[in-house]
Formats: sequence, C-alpha cells, structure tokens
Amino acid sequence: AQSVTQLDSQVPVFEEAPVELRCNYSSSVSVYLFWYVQYPNQGLQLLLKYLSGSTLVKGINGFEAEFNKSQTSFHLRKPSVHISDTAEYFCAVTRNDYKLSFGAGTTVTVRA
Amino acid sequence: DAGVTQSPTHLIKTRGQQVTLRCSPKSGHDTVSWYQQALGQGPQFIFQYYEEEERQRGNFPDRFSGHQFPNYSSELNVNALLLGDSALYLCASSLRTKETQYFGPGTRLLVL
Repeated sequence: AQSVTQLDSQVPVFEEAPVELRCNYSSSVSVYLFWYVQYPNQGLQLLLKYLSGSTLVKGINGFEAEFNKSQTSFHLRKPSVHISDTAEYFCAVTRNDYKLSFGAGTTVTVRA
Repeated sequence: DAGVTQSPTHLIKTRGQQVTLRCSPKSGHDTVSWYQQALGQGPQFIFQYYEEEERQRGNFPDRFSGHQFPNYSSELNVNALLLGDSALYLCASSLRTKETQYFGPGTRLLVL
C-alpha cells in the first residue's frame, strides 16, 4: 500500500513571496501523483498531476511541481503567492487501482 | 459542462440514525468514489463504484454502504450513526480507464 507524508502542516508566507510545499510518498510500484487545493468550506480542486513523461509539471494558478523518483518526492511550488492562495493543500497518490491516498494536508496562510 | 454535484450540502443527525448522501458525476464519467474527510485531516477512501457494483473498498465498517444507478449517479448510506461519523463526505468522479478524479463540493454531516 502507498502512503503520503506532507512534511509541513502549516506554512505562513508573505504576499508575493515564493512558497514550496513538500510531499513524500512510499510505494513499491509506479504511481500517479496529484496536488489538490481546498478553499474554506469547499471541496477539492485539482491543481496539477504527474502521470508520466516530463518530471516538471505545471498546473493552474501558477503552481508547478517536480516529480523526483529517486527521492520519492513531489514538491509543489509557486514563485509568487497571492492572498487568494490561502487554502489547504493536499498531496495524493494512486496506483493503477485508482484509489487515492492523501496526505494530512498543508495549511498555507498568505499575509499582506 | 456540469461538474460533480452533491446533495445535501449540510446535514444534522443524531446517534443511531441513518443517512443517505447523493452524488451526480461529471458529465461523461462512469466511476464514482466516496471519501470521508474528518476535521483537520486528509480524505480517506471509503469505496468506489463502477458498472453499478462496488469495485474497491477502504477500511470502513459495513455500516457504510453505497449504490450506483444506471445513470452513474451514486448514493452513500451510513447506518447506526456514531459521533465519529461527523465529517465532510466527498464524492469524486472519473472515467474507469483514467486515473484523475474530480471532486464535488461535499456534504458536511454533523452527528449529535
């Protein structure tokens, strides 16, 4: 079974500063990786995904993530955050059974 | 293009009661998965339906059951509610042959 560890539970950041959210996974087989965002009192919105191919993937709202197979990581980055990026971010992994396993989440708080 | 819809948005029940939550998948999708998200945690996989049958199940008791209809919509039923069943219940839809799941806004269940 696969598991996901999000290394930071809370990340405070100033507006227009860069942010990195760390995610590590454990799996003995090839996986698909995802980042979802959850705004207060809402469901999950897909930010980006890694299925295969280029290890650098770009998503919506200026986010990007890099898949590193040797380090089993899939860190999320944004070069300049906005107040509207304040939200909960979840890293998730699945195999070909398409059953998602989520990390515990990282709360990003953007301050002016 | 309608996304994933869920009803109701909020629900309050008392211990021992039964509840039914509903989900309509994104247009063109044939697979529905259900997740439970307790406060402050990542979503946990409950089960997945395809071709009107439960295909996969997470670590949830038999009190949790579901159904998928010919139009691909789905219901989640929880019997004998416990206080610990209080959570946000998320429905996700996908294509059976694809790994990406799209989430609805969720139903927030409070058990008193």
